[in-house]
Amino acid sequence: GQQVMQIPQYQHVQEGEDFTTYCNSSTTLSNIQWYKQRPGGHPVFLIQLVKSGEVKKQKRLTFQFGEAKKNSSLHITATQTTDVGTYFCAGYSGGSNYKLTFGKGTLLTVNP
Amino acid sequence: DADVTQTPRNRITKTGKRIMLECSQTKGHDRMYWYRQDPGLGLRLIYYSFDVKDINKGEISDGYSVSRQAQAKFSLSLESAIPNQTALYFCATSEVGQGPHEQFFGPGTRLTVL
Repeated sequence: GQQVMQIPQYQHVQEGEDFTTYCNSSTTLSNIQWYKQRPGGHPVFLIQLVKSGEVKKQKRLTFQFGEAKKNSSLHITATQTTDVGTYFCAGYSGGSNYKLTFGKGTLLTVNP
Repeated sequence: DADVTQTPRNRITKTGKRIMLECSQTKGHDRMYWYRQDPGLGLRLIYYSFDVKDINKGEISDGYSVSRQAQAKFSLSLESAIPNQTALYFCATSEVGQGPHEQFFGPGTRLTVL
C-alpha cells in the first residue's frame, strides 16, 4: 500500500533559525495536505497542494510540491516559539475513497 | 462552541471491556473518520464513512467497529478492549466533493486499556 515517509522525526532549533520537514511518497500523489498539531492538541489543517511544482506561502511558512508529485516540503523561516508542534503531511494518491495517508510527523521544538 | 466534539475525553478501562467512543459534529459534513494516534506513528485510519449508509474500513480496522447513527454522529466501538489499543483517538470530518478536502479534527479521546 501507499507509504508516506516524513523526515526528520524530531528537530530542535533556536528561535530565529529556519526549519524544514520533508515528505516522500512511495507512489505519485494527486495532492498533499499539511497539518499542525500543537502539544496536547489536535491536528489543524494548514494547506493543500495540488499542482506539480506548486509553491505556496503562508507568512513565514513555505510549502512545496515536487515536480514528480512524490515529495513535498514545509519550510519555516525564522522560527518562533509559537511554531512548536508536530507537522504532518498527508498524501492522497487518487481514487474515489479520498483517503489520506499521513506521515509520522516531525516534532519541532524551539528554544527561546 | 466546538464544531467537532468527542466524548469521553479520557477513559481508562480494563482488558476485555466493551467501550464506545462518540463523535458529534455541527459542521454539516457528510464525511467522517476515525483515526488512531500512537507516539511516533502518526495518524492511522480506522474507519471512514461518506454518509449514513456508507461505512468503510481503514488500514487498521481489526478489533474495532463503527456506527453512523446520523449525519452528525459517528461512534467507534472496541468490542473487547486490549492493552495495545491504548492510544489517542481522533474523529474528523470533511466536506463532500471531488478529491479530499480539509479535515476538521475533534479534540481527541485518550484511551488507556489496563
